Amino acid sequence: KQEVTQIPAALSVPEGENLVLNCSFTDSAIYNLQWFRQDPGKGLTSLLLIQSSQREQTSGRLNASLDKSSGRSTLYIAASQPGDSATYLCAVRDQQGGSEKLVFGKGTKLTVNP
Amino acid sequence: GAGVSQSPSNKVTEKGKDVELRCDPISGHTALYWYRQSLGQGLEFLIYFQGNSAPDKSGLPSDRFSAERTGGSVSTLTIQRTQQEDSAVYLCASSGYRGREQYFGPGTRLTVT
Repeated sequence: KQEVTQIPAALSVPEGENLVLNCSFTDSAIYNLQWFRQDPGKGLTSLLLIQSSQREQTSGRLNASLDKSSGRSTLYIAASQPGDSATYLCAVRDQQGGSEKLVFGKGTKLTVNP
Repeated sequence: GAGVSQSPSNKVTEKGKDVELRCDPISGHTALYWYRQSLGQGLEFLIYFQGNSAPDKSGLPSDRFSAERTGGSVSTLTIQRTQQEDSAVYLCASSGYRGREQYFGPGTRLTVT
């Protein structure tokens, strides 16, 4: 059974700092991995999707990497801003079977202090 | 274009009552998913619809939970005889085709008193 772990559970940084969020998964046979952000009381906003054949994806100040063989992904946020404060969720879609369900980690709550 | 919409945004119900939660996916998306987010539990998969295929119901926690998708578009998640442990945020997502990004709605916060 696939399990996704995110470390740390919470992170507080000063504005302008570069930071890395970590995600690990137990079964490397994944189809893809998706990073989301969730603001309090809101739904999920998709940030980046990495297919299993890819090593990284970039969008603006965000860069996500994937090392499938070691079961790890990182989300790098450059020059953090207070508006980046949110919970960041990592989710994987397994390769096995026909279902496209995502398995989620419990998230990293990020606070960027002005 | 419009994103995934869900209604109601909040629902308070008494234990033992039935509730229906609605999801309108992004127009043209063939895949629709329901997830539940409980305090301290993270997001868990409930059910998945893809076109005319039989739904994947493997995540439904009990037979009190059911869902349908009419006309390949709108979906309704029904919880019968609600229990306090059903209190959670119920999130719906849709996807355009296999293997692509899932886009989430704002969720319905269900409180069972």
